[in-house]
Amino acid sequence: TQLLEQSPQFLSIQEGENLTVYCNSSSVFSSLQWYRQEPGEGPVLLVTVVTGGEVKKLKRLTFQFGDARKDSSLHITAAQPGDTGLYLCAGRTNFGNEKLTFGTGTRLTIIP
Amino acid sequence: NAGVTQTPKFRVLKTGQSMTLLCAQDMNHEYMYWYRQDPGMGLRLIHYSVGEGTTAKGEVPDGYNVSRLKKQNFLLGLESAAPSQTSVYFCASSYWQQNQPQHFGDGTRLSIL
Repeated sequence: TQLLEQSPQFLSIQEGENLTVYCNSSSVFSSLQWYRQEPGEGPVLLVTVVTGGEVKKLKRLTFQFGDARKDSSLHITAAQPGDTGLYLCAGRTNFGNEKLTFGTGTRLTIIP
Repeated sequence: NAGVTQTPKFRVLKTGQSMTLLCAQDMNHEYMYWYRQDPGMGLRLIHYSVGEGTTAKGEVPDGYNVSRLKKQNFLLGLESAAPSQTSVYFCASSYWQQNQPQHFGDGTRLSIL
């Protein structure tokens, strides 16, 4: 059973446009992480959010954790070709839980 | 800085053959994980380990076995490969503290014919 659903599954936009990727669940997570994966490589951590309603910014990327800690979003402003990749959200369901549950992924392509 | 190293990078097997995927990390991480990645399904946890000599089942453990005889190594075995096990396999490791990032290898692409 996939606990985390991401939307859209695929997204292709022009350079300079803005976009939002969503990560949704019916379960409550104690924390949530976002990873980016490039072809032929493993995922790399972008950010960790731990508090309901928390917003974190990483240059042009803005991450938000839902108030109820069941969902999250990633907003990219003025997308660049270097943003191209597979974006994965991943959550922990219990405090101290060593396991992550990964979302289904969003494959983003930025067209120059 | 090697980080997490997986071997081999590619492998083709025939149905029924066995093989072992190797994962080594040089960051002294306590936790290690094996995932499989299939299109549209993100990463699914196969087995994991919270320390040397310990292993536990993840979401999709059937058909796989693991061993963690040394802290730095985590082995994934397929005793009798099946076409359904065709996938990209990723190893990851992390510190034990809460909310630590998982550090991934570059994956092993495995095809079962």
